[in-house]
Amino acid sequence: TQLLEQSPQFLSIQEGENLTVYCNSSSVFSSLQWYRQEPGEGPVLLVTVVTGGEVKKLKRLTFQFGDARKDSSLHITAAQPGDTGLYLCAGGSNYKLTFGKGTLLTVNP
Amino acid sequence: EAQVTQNPRYLITVTGKKLTVTCSQNMNHEYMSWYRQDPGLGLRQIYYSMNVEVTDKGDVPEGYKVSRKEKRNFPLILESPSPNQTSLYFCASSKPLPGQGDEQFFGPGTRLTVL
Repeated sequence: TQLLEQSPQFLSIQEGENLTVYCNSSSVFSSLQWYRQEPGEGPVLLVTVVTGGEVKKLKRLTFQFGDARKDSSLHITAAQPGDTGLYLCAGGSNYKLTFGKGTLLTVNP
Repeated sequence: EAQVTQNPRYLITVTGKKLTVTCSQNMNHEYMSWYRQDPGLGLRQIYYSMNVEVTDKGDVPEGYKVSRKEKRNFPLILESPSPNQTSLYFCASSKPLPGQGDEQFFGPGTRLTVL
Protein backbone atom coordinates (compact mmCIF):
# COMPACT_ATOMS: atom_id res chain seq x y z
CA THR A 1 0.00 0.00 0.00
CA GLN A 2 1.37 3.39 -0.97
CA LEU A 3 1.46 5.94 1.85
CA LEU A 4 1.48 9.73 1.74
CA GLU A 5 2.62 11.65 4.79
CA GLN A 6 1.37 15.19 5.11
CA SER A 7 2.83 17.77 7.46
CA PRO A 8 1.96 19.65 9.47
CA GLN A 9 -1.32 18.08 10.51
CA PHE A 10 -2.60 21.37 11.96
CA LEU A 11 -1.56 24.94 11.18
CA SER A 12 -2.96 28.13 12.69
CA ILE A 13 -1.56 31.42 11.41
CA GLN A 14 -2.40 35.11 11.17
CA GLU A 15 -3.69 36.77 8.05
CA GLY A 16 -0.82 37.89 5.84
CA GLU A 17 1.64 35.17 6.86
CA ASN A 18 3.19 32.67 4.45
CA LEU A 19 3.02 28.91 4.92
CA THR A 20 4.13 25.66 3.33
CA VAL A 21 2.47 22.26 3.52
CA TYR A 22 4.43 19.13 2.66
CA CYS A 23 3.40 15.80 1.18
CA ASN A 24 5.98 12.99 1.21
CA SER A 25 6.12 9.36 0.18
CA SER A 26 8.62 6.61 -0.45
CA SER A 27 6.63 5.66 -3.57
CA VAL A 28 6.74 7.16 -7.04
CA PHE A 29 3.45 8.53 -8.32
CA SER A 30 2.25 9.19 -11.86
CA SER A 31 0.53 12.34 -10.70
CA LEU A 32 0.05 14.38 -7.57
CA GLN A 33 -3.14 16.28 -6.87
CA TRP A 34 -4.00 18.83 -4.21
CA TYR A 35 -7.57 19.17 -2.99
CA ARG A 36 -9.19 21.58 -0.59
CA GLN A 37 -12.14 20.59 1.59
CA GLU A 38 -14.44 22.89 3.53
CA PRO A 39 -16.66 21.75 6.42
CA GLY A 40 -19.73 19.85 5.25
CA GLU A 41 -18.52 19.53 1.68
CA GLY A 42 -16.53 17.16 -0.48
CA PRO A 43 -12.95 17.87 -1.55
CA VAL A 44 -12.44 20.12 -4.57
CA LEU A 45 -9.44 19.87 -6.86
CA LEU A 46 -6.94 22.75 -6.74
CA VAL A 47 -4.21 21.48 -9.04
CA THR A 48 -2.68 18.43 -10.69
CA VAL A 49 1.06 18.03 -11.31
CA VAL A 50 2.41 15.20 -13.43
CA THR A 51 6.03 16.00 -14.32
CA GLY A 52 8.93 15.74 -11.89
CA GLY A 53 10.09 19.21 -10.91
CA GLU A 54 6.89 20.81 -12.16
CA VAL A 55 5.78 24.06 -10.54
CA LYS A 56 2.27 25.45 -10.89
CA LYS A 57 0.88 28.69 -9.57
CA LEU A 58 -2.73 29.47 -8.75
CA LYS A 59 -2.92 33.09 -7.61
CA ARG A 60 -1.24 33.06 -4.16
CA LEU A 61 -0.79 29.28 -4.14
CA THR A 62 2.35 27.62 -5.52
CA PHE A 63 2.52 23.86 -6.00
CA GLN A 64 5.67 21.87 -6.66
CA PHE A 65 6.17 18.22 -7.60
CA GLY A 66 9.49 16.73 -6.53
CA ASP A 67 12.03 15.74 -9.15
CA ALA A 68 11.65 12.06 -8.25
CA ARG A 69 7.83 12.34 -8.20
CA LYS A 70 7.66 11.15 -4.59
CA ASP A 71 6.88 14.40 -2.83
CA SER A 72 5.10 17.70 -3.27
CA SER A 73 4.64 21.01 -1.51
CA LEU A 74 1.98 23.69 -1.36
CA HIS A 75 3.07 27.22 -0.52
CA ILE A 76 0.56 29.96 0.25
CA THR A 77 1.71 33.57 0.17
CA ALA A 78 -0.03 36.20 2.29
CA ALA A 79 -2.69 33.84 3.63
CA GLN A 80 -6.24 35.11 3.97
CA PRO A 81 -9.14 33.90 6.15
CA GLY A 82 -10.77 32.52 3.00
CA ASP A 83 -7.86 30.05 2.69
CA THR A 84 -9.06 28.28 5.83
CA GLY A 85 -9.83 24.62 5.16
CA LEU A 86 -8.49 21.08 4.98
CA TYR A 87 -5.79 20.61 2.34
CA LEU A 88 -5.35 17.10 1.00
CA CYS A 89 -2.66 15.75 -1.27
CA ALA A 90 -3.36 12.66 -3.36
CA GLY A 91 -0.86 10.51 -5.22
CA GLY A 92 -2.06 8.77 -8.35
CA SER A 93 -1.22 5.55 -10.12
CA ASN A 94 -3.54 4.42 -12.92
CA TYR A 95 -6.90 3.65 -11.26
CA LYS A 96 -6.02 4.59 -7.71
CA LEU A 97 -5.62 7.76 -5.75
CA THR A 98 -3.98 7.55 -2.34
CA PHE A 99 -4.78 10.46 -0.06
CA GLY A 100 -2.70 11.97 2.70
CA LYS A 101 -4.40 12.59 6.05
CA GLY A 102 -4.62 16.29 5.37
CA THR A 103 -3.48 19.60 6.83
CA LEU A 104 -6.11 21.63 8.65
CA LEU A 105 -5.29 25.29 8.04
CA THR A 106 -6.84 28.11 10.05
CA VAL A 107 -6.10 31.68 9.02
CA ASN A 108 -7.07 34.15 11.73
CA PRO A 109 -8.09 37.74 10.80
CA GLU B 1 -24.93 21.58 -13.58
CA ALA B 2 -22.23 18.90 -13.45
CA GLN B 3 -22.47 17.16 -10.13
CA VAL B 4 -22.27 14.05 -8.01
CA THR B 5 -25.27 13.48 -5.77
CA GLN B 6 -25.51 11.24 -2.73
CA ASN B 7 -28.49 10.18 -0.67
CA PRO B 8 -29.16 10.28 2.13
CA ARG B 9 -26.94 13.07 3.46
CA TYR B 10 -27.43 11.95 7.05
CA LEU B 11 -28.41 8.55 8.39
CA ILE B 12 -28.67 7.08 11.86
CA THR B 13 -29.29 3.35 11.97
CA VAL B 14 -28.83 0.33 14.21
CA THR B 15 -26.41 -2.56 14.05
CA GLY B 16 -27.35 -5.20 11.50
CA LYS B 17 -29.99 -3.26 9.59
CA LYS B 18 -29.09 -3.34 5.88
CA LEU B 19 -28.74 0.02 4.20
CA THR B 20 -27.85 1.48 0.82
CA VAL B 21 -26.28 4.84 0.08
CA THR B 22 -26.95 5.96 -3.46
CA CYS B 23 -24.56 7.87 -5.69
CA SER B 24 -25.27 9.34 -9.09
CA GLN B 25 -23.23 11.47 -11.51
CA ASN B 26 -24.32 13.36 -14.61
CA MET B 27 -20.91 13.83 -16.26
CA ASN B 28 -20.79 10.50 -18.15
CA HIS B 29 -17.69 9.52 -16.18
CA GLU B 30 -16.34 6.00 -16.52
CA TYR B 31 -14.69 5.92 -13.08
CA MET B 32 -16.53 6.04 -9.77
CA SER B 33 -15.31 5.46 -6.26
CA TRP B 34 -16.37 5.35 -2.62
CA TYR B 35 -14.29 6.74 0.25
CA ARG B 36 -14.73 6.99 3.97
CA GLN B 37 -13.25 9.84 5.98
CA ASP B 38 -12.41 9.40 9.64
CA PRO B 39 -10.60 11.76 12.06
CA GLY B 40 -6.90 11.01 12.12
CA LEU B 41 -7.18 8.49 9.29
CA GLY B 42 -7.99 10.72 6.35
CA LEU B 43 -9.76 9.61 3.18
CA ARG B 44 -9.58 5.89 2.51
CA GLN B 45 -10.87 4.19 -0.60
CA ILE B 46 -13.51 1.48 -0.10
CA TYR B 47 -14.31 0.33 -3.65
CA TYR B 48 -13.93 1.69 -7.13
CA SER B 49 -15.37 1.00 -10.56
CA MET B 50 -13.56 1.54 -13.85
CA ASN B 51 -16.77 1.15 -15.88
CA VAL B 52 -20.15 -0.60 -15.96
CA GLU B 53 -19.93 -4.09 -14.40
CA VAL B 54 -16.24 -3.58 -13.48
CA THR B 55 -15.48 -3.04 -9.80
CA ASP B 56 -12.50 -3.62 -7.54
CA LYS B 57 -11.58 -3.37 -3.89
CA GLY B 58 -9.92 -0.33 -2.45
CA ASP B 59 -7.99 -0.20 0.79
CA VAL B 60 -10.86 -0.84 3.24
CA PRO B 61 -13.53 -2.99 1.49
CA GLU B 62 -14.52 -5.24 4.43
CA GLY B 63 -18.21 -4.96 5.31
CA TYR B 64 -19.20 -3.17 2.10
CA LYS B 65 -20.61 -4.15 -1.28
CA VAL B 66 -21.02 -2.17 -4.49
CA SER B 67 -22.57 -2.63 -7.89
CA ARG B 68 -22.28 -0.76 -11.19
CA LYS B 69 -25.19 -1.72 -13.41
CA GLU B 70 -25.48 1.70 -15.04
CA LYS B 71 -22.77 4.19 -15.85
CA ARG B 72 -24.28 7.00 -13.80
CA ASN B 73 -25.03 5.09 -10.56
CA PHE B 74 -22.73 3.45 -8.02
CA PRO B 75 -24.57 2.47 -4.82
CA LEU B 76 -22.76 1.49 -1.62
CA ILE B 77 -24.37 -1.34 0.31
CA LEU B 78 -23.84 -2.21 3.96
CA GLU B 79 -25.40 -5.65 4.43
CA SER B 80 -24.98 -5.71 8.22
CA PRO B 81 -23.71 -2.38 9.49
CA SER B 82 -21.60 -2.25 12.64
CA PRO B 83 -20.60 0.71 14.85
CA ASN B 84 -17.08 0.78 13.36
CA GLN B 85 -18.68 1.79 10.05
CA THR B 86 -19.80 5.06 11.57
CA SER B 87 -18.10 7.56 9.31
CA LEU B 88 -18.39 10.27 6.67
CA TYR B 89 -18.73 8.70 3.24
CA PHE B 90 -17.91 10.31 -0.09
CA CYS B 91 -18.71 9.19 -3.60
CA ALA B 92 -16.52 10.50 -6.42
CA SER B 93 -16.39 10.24 -10.20
CA SER B 94 -13.86 11.05 -12.88
CA LYS B 95 -12.70 10.26 -16.40
CA PRO B 96 -11.06 6.83 -16.57
CA LEU B 97 -7.62 7.44 -15.10
CA PRO B 98 -7.71 9.38 -11.83
CA GLY B 99 -4.20 8.21 -11.06
CA GLN B 100 -2.91 9.80 -14.24
CA GLY B 101 -4.34 13.19 -13.34
CA ASP B 102 -8.04 13.04 -14.19
CA GLU B 103 -9.90 15.24 -11.71
CA GLN B 104 -12.11 13.49 -9.19
CA PHE B 105 -15.45 15.17 -8.53
CA PHE B 106 -16.78 14.48 -5.07
CA GLY B 107 -20.32 14.34 -3.79
CA PRO B 108 -21.41 16.30 -0.71
CA GLY B 109 -20.93 13.37 1.65
CA THR B 110 -23.15 11.06 3.73
CA ARG B 111 -22.73 11.11 7.49
CA LEU B 112 -23.59 7.65 8.80
CA THR B 113 -24.01 6.73 12.45
CA VAL B 114 -24.45 3.08 13.40
CA LEU B 115 -25.71 2.54 16.94
